[in-house]
Amino acid sequence: AQTVTQSQPEMSVQEAETVTLSCTYDTSESNYYLFWYKQPPSRQMILVIRQEAYKQQNATENRFSVNFQKAAKSFSLKISDSQLGDTAMYFCAFMNRDDKIIFGKGTRLHILP
Amino acid sequence: DADVTQTPRNRITKTGKRIMLECSQTKGHDRMYWYRQDPGLGLRLIYYSFDVKDINKGEISDGYSVSRQAQAKFSLSLESAIPNQTALYFCATSTRAFADTQYFGPGTRLTVL
Repeated sequence: AQTVTQSQPEMSVQEAETVTLSCTYDTSESNYYLFWYKQPPSRQMILVIRQEAYKQQNATENRFSVNFQKAAKSFSLKISDSQLGDTAMYFCAFMNRDDKIIFGKGTRLHILP
Repeated sequence: DADVTQTPRNRITKTGKRIMLECSQTKGHDRMYWYRQDPGLGLRLIYYSFDVKDINKGEISDGYSVSRQAQAKFSLSLESAIPNQTALYFCATSTRAFADTQYFGPGTRLTVL
């Protein structure tokens, strides 16, 4: 069975710093998708970034980028120039060929002024 | 107007009561999902529907039932609510495309006393 592990339950960084959130997953499949979702205090789930496993190039979206290491089954999220509005719960997620998402347990990120 | 809406947004009920949570979408998506979020556990899939006549159980379907009344509507029912069903419930939608992004509603916070 596929699993998604986020080893950092909670993190805090100063505003404008760079922070990296870790995620590892386990699967025997070769084609799959990975996602990072953000859940701010409003509780809305917002897609931050997605990565297709067959693509070598790491996905980027403005200040958000990933470090995808397929062999290591690692998918970390880097937030550059962090802002107060980045304070949220961040979920790593894996989607298999059945189109079902498996979520990690989340990392609570605090951006400090 | 929001593309994916959920009603009610908050609900407090008593053990043994029947509860229905409703989800509506204006995105024209075929696929709809119900998730449950518990602190420290991330989101877990309860039921999903790939079209009006295709409904499937997810990871934690016991104690829940669903109805897909139309392409745009997907309801989740708790036939006899129990306290450990206290959680945040999310509806999500996506297109038929493999691994398409799932778009989440604002969530329903349910408390069972």
